[in-house]
Amino acid sequence: DVKVTQSSRYLVKRTGEKVFLECVQDMDHENMFWYRQDPGLGLRLIYFSYDVKMKEKGDIPEGYSVSREKKERFSLILESASTNQTSMYLCASLRRTRHSSYEQYFGPGTRLTVT
Amino acid sequence: GQQVMQIPQYQHVQEGEDFTTYCNSSTTLSNIQWYKQRPGGHPVFLIQLVKSGEVKKQKRLTFQFGEAKKNSSLHITATQTTDVGTYFCAGPTSGTYKYIFGTGTRLKVLA
Repeated sequence: DVKVTQSSRYLVKRTGEKVFLECVQDMDHENMFWYRQDPGLGLRLIYFSYDVKMKEKGDIPEGYSVSREKKERFSLILESASTNQTSMYLCASLRRTRHSSYEQYFGPGTRLTVT
Repeated sequence: GQQVMQIPQYQHVQEGEDFTTYCNSSTTLSNIQWYKQRPGGHPVFLIQLVKSGEVKKQKRLTFQFGEAKKNSSLHITATQTTDVGTYFCAGPTSGTYKYIFGTGTRLKVLA
């Protein structure tokens, strides 16, 4: 079974703090993603990575950066947290099946509150 | 940019009634995926559709991909309380693994 873990389920940070969200997958997947989920807006892609040290901006990258030094780990960094970054953050990795079907496996999510 | 819309946003049904959610993309999709997110949980992959006009069934769930590959639907027959959750569709941007998710349909089933 694919397992995607995230470092924290709940996190409370102060405005201006630097925040690190960690995601680890155990299936040697090349593609990993960071989304944020807000009520009524669905899942919005922040950044994704298609290999070690390779990254691409998603739809809402402003205020975020990412790091992928090892294949299994994809980190999301909030350089200076702001209250509008209070949200649920979901990490996912992409599995390709034998039949060329693609499935995203999600971690449990980190609910971040910035005060 | 590419957009994926879902309707309705919310749906309350009595247990045993049918339920349908619709997904519409602003561009043609190479494939479409459906996910289910239980309350307090994370999205879980349900299925992927690839071919124009494709229909797939999973027990009481029927998934369709439109002929033009720009829309899709998920139909649940005789809903049960275990069907409660938010259903998302997702389609890839052309030539990438970057998926755009729909806004989701939250289903409540009243016993």
